[in-house]
Amino acid sequence: DGGITQSPKYLFRKEGQNVTLSCEQNLNHDAMYWYRQDPGQGLRLIYYSQIVNDFQKGDIAEGYSVSREKKESFPLTVTSAQKNPTAFYLCASSMAGTRRTEAFFGQGTRLTVV
Amino acid sequence: GEDVEQSLFLSVREGDSSVINCTYTDSSSTYLYWYKQEPGAGLQLLTYIFSNMDMKQDQRLTVLLNKKDKHLSLRIADTQTGDSAIYFCAESDSGGGADGLTFGKGTHLIIQP
Repeated sequence: DGGITQSPKYLFRKEGQNVTLSCEQNLNHDAMYWYRQDPGQGLRLIYYSQIVNDFQKGDIAEGYSVSREKKESFPLTVTSAQKNPTAFYLCASSMAGTRRTEAFFGQGTRLTVV
Repeated sequence: GEDVEQSLFLSVREGDSSVINCTYTDSSSTYLYWYKQEPGAGLQLLTYIFSNMDMKQDQRLTVLLNKKDKHLSLRIADTQTGDSAIYFCAESDSGGGADGLTFGKGTHLIIQP
């Protein structure tokens, strides 16, 4: 079945540590996205990539980094520079180059700083 | 910048119709979307409407778009307990949204027995 997979579902991080969230898709989508969701805040865009080896900052990129070495994969690293990393992180993908670009979402990773 | 606004909560009785409203500011919006999020899960696309349409119906779901007022609504007929979720309105700009959709903060739909 085609889809988008995020792992792990739950992740705990100590203060000062970097952690990497995985996102893999087998939908053959060119574009991939990372969103952060906080209660009452909706979804905010962290980074996005429209093509392999290229990515752009979204609205809240500070303290995060990404890579896009393969079309299928778009991992997100939450660095120690991110002051308030506890949140629900959602990865999405979509077709690029088409006018209708509804995003398909993974099931999310809940990150908690302990 | 672009902005999408929704009320945070809506409470309806089981069996009644639910109407979730959304306003947006980007006049170049091309597609508008409704997503559903159940607790602890990702977002599921429910339906979408192209900006040159004013209505779209899909089973129990009806989407109405007033482009002049930049107002979008989602009507769920015969609301069931399984409809309890957060509903997000989202829009893509004239670029097709390849740089990401803009989401509202979501409306919590609460179903009363």
